[in-house]
Amino acid sequence: DGGITQSPKYLFRKEGQNVTLSCEQNLNHDAMYWYRQDPGQGLRLIYYSQIVNDFQKGDIAEGYSVSREKKESFPLTVTSAQKNPTAFYLCASSIDGTGDSPLHFGNGTRLTVT
Amino acid sequence: DQQVKQNSPSLSVQEGRISILNCDYTNSMFDYFLWYKKYPAEGPTFLISISSIKDKNEDGRFTVFLNKSAKHLSLHIVPSQPGDSAVYFCAAPERGAGNMLTFGGGTRLMVKP
Repeated sequence: DGGITQSPKYLFRKEGQNVTLSCEQNLNHDAMYWYRQDPGQGLRLIYYSQIVNDFQKGDIAEGYSVSREKKESFPLTVTSAQKNPTAFYLCASSIDGTGDSPLHFGNGTRLTVT
Repeated sequence: DQQVKQNSPSLSVQEGRISILNCDYTNSMFDYFLWYKKYPAEGPTFLISISSIKDKNEDGRFTVFLNKSAKHLSLHIVPSQPGDSAVYFCAAPERGAGNMLTFGGGTRLMVKP
């Protein structure tokens, strides 16, 4: 079955530590995205990548970093510079980056930083 | 500044009745809109979309209406079922920002048996 796999589902870290969230897709999609969801709020875009070895900042990129070395993988690192890292993180992909192609989402990683 | 707004954070309807979820937008350049459905602890799934050249798109129990002059769209679910209980997000791609989707804040729909 094709899809997007995010791991782990739950992640706990101490303040000041960097943490990397995994996202893998086997849909052969060109574009991949990272969103953050906070309670009672919509999805906010952190980073996106429309092609391998290229990525762009979204609305709330500060304190995050990404890489896109392979088409299938788009890991997100939450650095110690991110002021409020505790959130639900969603990875998504789409066939292309036109905006009209629906996003396919993973099931998310809930990160808790204490 | 939120370009896509869902002003009702929650909605409760009886099974079998119509659910109407609303979405307003401010960017007149938006030309395509999508609705996503999200269950707790899962990622959103695509539900239905509409292009600005249309004012209605229907898919089974789901119909989306677009009123461009009012910058308003709505999702109708008829008849509503308990399994429809979820959070619904409307979204639109920003053409001037790499086509990235801007999401509304979501509306939590509860369908009571």
